[in-house]
Amino acid sequence: AQKITQTQPGMFVQEKEAVTLDCTYDTSDQSYGLFWYKQPSSGEMIFLIYQGSYDEQNATEGRYSLNFQKARKSANLVISASQLGDSAMYFCAMREGMIGSSNTGKLIFGQGTTLQVKP
Amino acid sequence: DTEVTQTPKHLVMGMTNKKSLKCEQHMGHRAMYWYKQKAKKPPELMFVYSYEKLSINESVPSRFSPECPNSSLLNLHLHALQPEDSALYLCASSSSEPFYNSPLHFGNGTRLTVT
Repeated sequence: AQKITQTQPGMFVQEKEAVTLDCTYDTSDQSYGLFWYKQPSSGEMIFLIYQGSYDEQNATEGRYSLNFQKARKSANLVISASQLGDSAMYFCAMREGMIGSSNTGKLIFGQGTTLQVKP
Repeated sequence: DTEVTQTPKHLVMGMTNKKSLKCEQHMGHRAMYWYKQKAKKPPELMFVYSYEKLSINESVPSRFSPECPNSSLLNLHLHALQPEDSALYLCASSSSEPFYNSPLHFGNGTRLTVT
């Protein structure tokens, strides 16, 4: 069964510094995708970045990058040059499945990490 | 701006009321989802529609009734709810297949309070 683990309930970072949010996963499927979402206190769930299991290069999207270590089953999110607006809850999530597979494609979330950026 | 729109933004209802949550997407997606999220917890999947057909029901109580009138619209009908059903209800959509590389795009959610 698929599982996502985020071991950091809360993190602090100084404005303009980089921060790494940890995520490990467990799956027996060969085809899977890893996603990071940001949820500010207002509630919307914002898609940040995606890494596919077959991707050889780490994904990057602006100030977000994903440190993908397949052998270790980890997919850490790195936020560079933190801004006050980055204060939010961050969820790591995973989907399995492709055409013809028996997987349902459910998006499974980790428990989340609350990030607070200090001025 | 989110491309998945949910209404209303806030809803307060009594335990005997009937209300509906609405969700609309204009991304051409053929899979739509309802999630329930309690404070400081991850979202929990409730229902999945694929090509307007219900494909997953995560053993949700019958007081929650989903409906997908067409590929752009998703409703969640609420009846005889309990106070513990108070939560943030998130709607999402995605491409149908392959699953593993299709992110879900969420709406802003409806904050539901049951009194």
